[in-house]
Amino acid sequence: SQTIHQWPATLVQPVGSPLSLECTVEGTSNPNLYWYRQAAGRGLQLLFYSVGIGQISSEVPQNLSASRPQDRQFILSSKKLLLSDSGFYLCAWSKTGTYEQYFGPGTRLTVT
Amino acid sequence: AQKVTQAQTEISVVEKEDVTLDCVYETRDTTYYLFWYKQPPSGELVFLIRRNSFDEQNEISGRYSWNFQKSTSSFNFTITASQVVDSAVYFCALSEAWGATNKLIFGTGTLLAVQP
Repeated sequence: SQTIHQWPATLVQPVGSPLSLECTVEGTSNPNLYWYRQAAGRGLQLLFYSVGIGQISSEVPQNLSASRPQDRQFILSSKKLLLSDSGFYLCAWSKTGTYEQYFGPGTRLTVT
Repeated sequence: AQKVTQAQTEISVVEKEDVTLDCVYETRDTTYYLFWYKQPPSGELVFLIRRNSFDEQNEISGRYSWNFQKSTSSFNFTITASQVVDSAVYFCALSEAWGATNKLIFGTGTLLAVQP
């Protein structure tokens, strides 16, 4: 069966510091991968998605970036965090050709 | 433009009551997919159901049932005999197949509180 991992689970970082959140998927190959952010107030915003190694599409221009160095690894990064980057970050995967996405446990980021 | 509207921000019921969560969507495509996800307090989104636009049959899974009506662009979710464990935020989502992948458009969610 497939599982998706995210770490860290919780993170508190000062403004201006760098960020690296990691997501890995097990039990499948060549998944589509997604990063979402859920700010206070519940809305889920798609940040990035990837259909393959090195292929990243950005949905929202911002100071975040994503990379996919391996087939089942998806990384969300920032060089300098802003207060507005605080939120709950969710990674998700889907099989190519299917439409439901499966989500990881999330990372709660607080920028102080 | 695609849009999903969940007009109910919060619903509170007493255990064993039935509750319906509303979802209205907008899309120009003739082929699309609708979803419901559950987000318990732990935060992880749990996939509940996918419905294809060409299949209007209602679906029942245990205490859960879904009513899809293209005529009103609605995909409502009913929990029968609610339980405290049903307390969560529920999201409705829409996807239009787009290239090699799909993008989910989420509603703003409905917080369901089931009181014992």
